[in-house]
Amino acid sequence: AQSVTQLDSQVPVFEEAPVELRCNYSSSVSVYLFWYVQYPNQGLQLLLKYLSGSTLVKGINGFEAEFNKSQTSFHLRKPSVHISDTAEYFCAVSYSNTGNQFYFGTGTSLTVIP
Amino acid sequence: GAVVSQHPSRVICKSGTSVKIECRSLDFQATTMFWYRQFPKQSLMLMATSNEGSKATYEQGVEKDKFLINHASLTLSTLTVTSAHPEDSSFYICSADPGSGYGYTFGSGTRLTVV
Repeated sequence: AQSVTQLDSQVPVFEEAPVELRCNYSSSVSVYLFWYVQYPNQGLQLLLKYLSGSTLVKGINGFEAEFNKSQTSFHLRKPSVHISDTAEYFCAVSYSNTGNQFYFGTGTSLTVIP
Repeated sequence: GAVVSQHPSRVICKSGTSVKIECRSLDFQATTMFWYRQFPKQSLMLMATSNEGSKATYEQGVEKDKFLINHASLTLSTLTVTSAHPEDSSFYICSADPGSGYGYTFGSGTRLTVV
């Protein structure tokens, strides 16, 4: 079965410090990878996506992620976080053999501490 | 950019009544839309795939008679929660593909509270 694992359910980090949110997926076929952010009581906003090409993907709000096929990972990073980055972050995967269906991780709650 | 509008954003209803949630693609046509459900502090779970002009495809464990989906046009899909009960209280989110090459656009969600 296809699955997405976000190992850290909660990540507290001080303001202006770097952060990495981890995401691993199971796959034996081609994948498309996404990171979404959800602010309280809101829908999901796309941060970045990997479809093909360069394994380092840059997104909005200073976030970037690196696709590592050998480790089946797609970790999200930001070199310096702001208070406004406090939110829930979801990793999502779409597999080439499942059409357009998305599989979401359980989410990581990022809390930026002043 | 591609926008998916979801309405209402919040709704409170009495147990036993039905609630309709609308999902509209504002500047693109969507032959397929997706409905998700999110419980507090949990991830999104796909409930069903809405197909324009045909029956929706429901995920295993989702009651199709309780969660009625209608996709009557290329820009509108509706989810009706019939005979709602408190356990149906949840955050419902729809999404659609604007055709830009993956990266589905999500609606802002509907917070349903059944009292």
